Amino acid sequence: GAVVSQHPSRVICKSGTSVKIECRSLDFQATTMFWYRQFPKKSLMLMATSNEGSKATYEQGVEKDKFLINHASLTLSTLTVTSAHPEDSSFYICSAKGAGGPNTYGYTFGSGTRLTVV
Amino acid sequence: GQQVMQIPQYQHVQEGEDFTTYCNSSTTLSNIQWYKQRPGGHPVFLIQLVKSGEVKKQKRLTFQFGEAKKNSSLHITATQTTDVGTYFCADMNTGFQKLVFGTGTRLLVSP
Repeated sequence: GAVVSQHPSRVICKSGTSVKIECRSLDFQATTMFWYRQFPKKSLMLMATSNEGSKATYEQGVEKDKFLINHASLTLSTLTVTSAHPEDSSFYICSAKGAGGPNTYGYTFGSGTRLTVV
Repeated sequence: GQQVMQIPQYQHVQEGEDFTTYCNSSTTLSNIQWYKQRPGGHPVFLIQLVKSGEVKKQKRLTFQFGEAKKNSSLHITATQTTDVGTYFCADMNTGFQKLVFGTGTRLLVSP
């Protein structure tokens, strides 16, 4: 089945630094990937849609200069949290839609990245 | 914007009891998908419903799509401890291919 690999799984960084999170589709090509943010015991909030070879589409209220998204290839999208602050601490998850196979309706999610900014 | 609410927020049952989570949208749903997220894990796709009034079953899980396509439900018969997790419904916007997640229902099953 479709597999999405996300790294790192956990990261602790100092306030003011930047953190890059990678999301790779391992066995399929993903022209579109999605980035979510999830607070403890809360739902997933879509941040942006990452399109291969073009600019990402951000949801309302999400700062594009704060959360830089790059989708340079059909298998890799990255999210960079720039000048991180403690309020950016959260669980970030990427997802992509698999291609082919009997269960292609659903989206495959990465394992998530728990970011803690100290 | 669209709001997708789920009730209850949390339910604690004894193993063997049934469980139901309800998903309600402020707008007509396009296609409804259901996901399960285990504690500390990521969402895993369960099923997609497309047609008004559609009912699908997966072993002990029964999924329904409302006639007006504004609500959906997931029913688990005879829960097991492996059913523990948070169940999310999500509206799949066919135009933009993006998911709008419901608020989720957290299920705890005691042995």
